[in-house]
Amino acid sequence: QVKLVESGGGVVQPGKSLRLSCEASGFIFSNYIMHWVRQAPGKGLEWVAVISDDGTKKFYADSVKGRFTLSRDNSKNTLYLQMDSLSGEDTAVYFCAREGDIVIGTSFDFWGQGMRVTVSS
Amino acid sequence: SHELTQPPSVSVSPGQTARITCSGDALPKRYAYWYQQKPGQAPVLVIYKDTDRPSGIPERFSGSSSGTTVTLTISGVQAEDEADYYCQSADTSGTYVFGTGTMLTVL
Repeated sequence: QVKLVESGGGVVQPGKSLRLSCEASGFIFSNYIMHWVRQAPGKGLEWVAVISDDGTKKFYADSVKGRFTLSRDNSKNTLYLQMDSLSGEDTAVYFCAREGDIVIGTSFDFWGQGMRVTVSS
Repeated sequence: SHELTQPPSVSVSPGQTARITCSGDALPKRYAYWYQQKPGQAPVLVIYKDTDRPSGIPERFSGSSSGTTVTLTISGVQAEDEADYYCQSADTSGTYVFGTGTMLTVL
């Protein structure tokens, strides 16, 4: 079955960096567009970034552009989110999510369990 | 990117029909999607491309679209449907957006 498992979260000081990973299994990872979505405590869902199936195209939300970098290693079935210059506003649970196929469309059909990132001194 | 607006909360009694709206200027040109999120859990896709239901989602969940508003309808609401619901759409610029979210309370 499809599984997405995030890792790499934790507590980090403002201005520092953190890298999240998302290991995929149960499907052909290299065939799918992948995303990161986050949710601040008590708040709604916020889309963060997307990467094409081959890793050549990436788009970011304005709130993270220039600070976050998305990448993937299709040989390892793993998605990465490098987060630099972190601030308190980046405190959230981060979900990796798979974009649906052409039938499902530009939605998120499978999600990881989420990884908490806390930015605090 | 465009914005999607939802009512903060909707309340219904068990067995009644809940309707959750999502408004956005781009919706006539873009598909909308709906997610259910229960506390401490990842969201689950319940409606895709405005009206279609993924396998495994109960038939009481349905979606509709009219102009700049899409609607998620839950017929015969059950206690287990109490959750937060989010609409979502994609922009032509390659970005994606979620609605503001609606808390559904089953009285």
